[in-house]
Amino acid sequence: SYELTQSPSVSVSPGQTASITCSGDKLGEKYACWYQQKPGQSPVLVIYQDTKRPSGIPERFSGSNSGNTATLTISGTQAMDEADYYCQAWDSSTAGVFGGGTKLTVL
Amino acid sequence: EVQLVESGGGLVQPGGSLRLSCAASGFTFASYWMTWVRQAPGKGLEWVASIKQDGSEIYYVGSVKGRFTISRDNSKNSVFLQMNSLRDEDTAVYYCARQWELQRAFDIWGQGTMVTVSS
Repeated sequence: SYELTQSPSVSVSPGQTASITCSGDKLGEKYACWYQQKPGQSPVLVIYQDTKRPSGIPERFSGSNSGNTATLTISGTQAMDEADYYCQAWDSSTAGVFGGGTKLTVL
Repeated sequence: EVQLVESGGGLVQPGGSLRLSCAASGFTFASYWMTWVRQAPGKGLEWVASIKQDGSEIYYVGSVKGRFTISRDNSKNSVFLQMNSLRDEDTAVYYCARQWELQRAFDIWGQGTMVTVSS
């Protein structure tokens, strides 16, 4: 079955750039998405189709996907960006799959 | 306003059944795939099942195959998840989500409904 792997945690200082990675076999050949989830809230789509932002998502959120790794980058990280982030892709054999999630701490 | 509202969660004994519902509003329901995603307490997101616009394609995560059934009623703008032979490990918040067909992204999520499997 297809798997996506994320680091459990990432820390960043306010105003700096945070990078969260997601790895999977030939992930670059699939569309990668990213979700933000704050405590007690439902997930929110922040990046789809590797690089695109849904309406209402700040420009500081960007994405890339190549080879076996997709990356979510948050430029000028703010305290409000502290949350769990999940990557997600669709595989022809496994269908939907999420990464294990990365807890972003802004300190 | 585009909205998804889940219902039907609750406490059920192991081996029991439960049927979750998700009511959609604010968009053309019949034009979208729909998906169920769950999250066990303190754990990450897990994709559970997806259904195509007309129900002709359905996918399940391996751990629920043969026990859960996803269905939809486009006339009632609703998607359902019938859960049978429930196990302790099915305890989770269950979210329904709207799915884009091409990008396979889940762009709209409900607030979730809690399912607790316990004796």
